[in-house]
Amino acid sequence: EADIYQTPRYLVIGTGKKITLECSQTMGHDKMYWYQQDPGMELHLIHYSYGVNSTEKGDLSSESTVSRIRTEHFPLTLESARPSHTSQYLCASSAKRNTEAFFGQGTRLTVV
Amino acid sequence: GDSVTQMEGPVTLSEEAFLTINCTYTATGYPSLFWYVQYPGEGLQLLLKATKADDKGSNKGFEATYRKETTSFHLEKGSVQVSDSAVYFCALSDGNSGYALNFGKGTSLLVTP
Repeated sequence: EADIYQTPRYLVIGTGKKITLECSQTMGHDKMYWYQQDPGMELHLIHYSYGVNSTEKGDLSSESTVSRIRTEHFPLTLESARPSHTSQYLCASSAKRNTEAFFGQGTRLTVV
Repeated sequence: GDSVTQMEGPVTLSEEAFLTINCTYTATGYPSLFWYVQYPGEGLQLLLKATKADDKGSNKGFEATYRKETTSFHLEKGSVQVSDSAVYFCALSDGNSGYALNFGKGTSLLVTP
């Protein structure tokens, strides 16, 4: 069983609030990722990291930002939440090139 | 660029029916291929994988063979159960975007008793 954790599982928040979605893994993986999953199920890569102090934007433009100060931690922040940010956010990590990624259970964010 | 195309759902089957979910890919180089499953309200779980041509991945009665000549990785199961109801994603990884997985759009499967 994969050891990657996301908190909170569910979050309802008002427009304009700042939020941070937490993601931690205990597997020592260098590579970590954030995906946004729309209601139609499709997954979009929004951020990734090769390791500490490395962050890159993914294929889908996102107003969120990420940081990677420690290997195990890869939080995602929205400075000012909007209803268009309502989605499920999935964090993942992987060990080596072209190997499987392990996913957290996701955070379902609703901005009202 | 790289892409994964999988058959659209929803797919509805009776229990014990045969399942095939088609997946084809476009990639430069030699990608690794994966099938993931997502149960309602959960994250994704790896179902099976194949890292080179002609490899067969298998798990829990599901199988898929990496076919380089047809650029395909179709998922099959001989006899589905109600508990197999979920969304299935085909994915590839070939070194782009930090070796992130590139997913198909997902196929929803509903198995009825």
